Amino acid sequence: QKEVEQNSGPLSVPEGAIASLNCTYSDRGSQSFFWYRQYSGKSPELIMFIYSNGDKEDGRFTAQLNKASQYVSLLIRDSQPSDSATYLCAVNRLHQKLVFGQGTRLTINP
Amino acid sequence: GAVVSQHPSWVICKSGTSVKIECRSLDFQATTMFWYRQFPKQSLMLMATSNEGSKATYEQGVEKDKFLINHASLTLSTLTVTSAHPEDSSFYICSAKNTGALAYGYTFGSGTRLTVV
Repeated sequence: QKEVEQNSGPLSVPEGAIASLNCTYSDRGSQSFFWYRQYSGKSPELIMFIYSNGDKEDGRFTAQLNKASQYVSLLIRDSQPSDSATYLCAVNRLHQKLVFGQGTRLTINP
Repeated sequence: GAVVSQHPSWVICKSGTSVKIECRSLDFQATTMFWYRQFPKQSLMLMATSNEGSKATYEQGVEKDKFLINHASLTLSTLTVTSAHPEDSSFYICSAKNTGALAYGYTFGSGTRLTVV
């Protein structure tokens, strides 16, 4: 079992719709959870991090964490073509190395 | 704030030569830096964790004698790929842990595209 699992996609969503990205993790000691966006040929950029159960909203992005189910998700509302990228889920124990999932390739169709 | 500068952004070298990649935290002190490698259409693979003033910790399967890491100051870590071969061609990315941020900040450099010919 991989430490962090994501559906590799591609996930295709029409413009203006909600894109839902999911991630599960195996280490119950994980304390911090991150979503990064990576455009082709570029390095990852942080979109959100979350460390408490529940939802965290930032603009069009909402991260959801359920530690009991070892599940974290990212919702993107009003999806735009510029949101087309690979989304990487990463988890860690406090102050320790990030463990990345394989990433989900998201395509927003105009 | 929290900017990490990585140089060069791309490099082409001949097989058998060595290449040095620099990673600098510009506006914060980074006691810990991470080096990743990413092959096309794959996720980031952690190579090593670099701690200022001490030896790097390498992940299993990463040759420490081939990938030399030096973290001599709180703002600079370097990765040297020694005796490079075509299979070392990849996208190398550094990340610095910003201990001054909300305790959760990991900032990535812009990456270095290495091509060994």
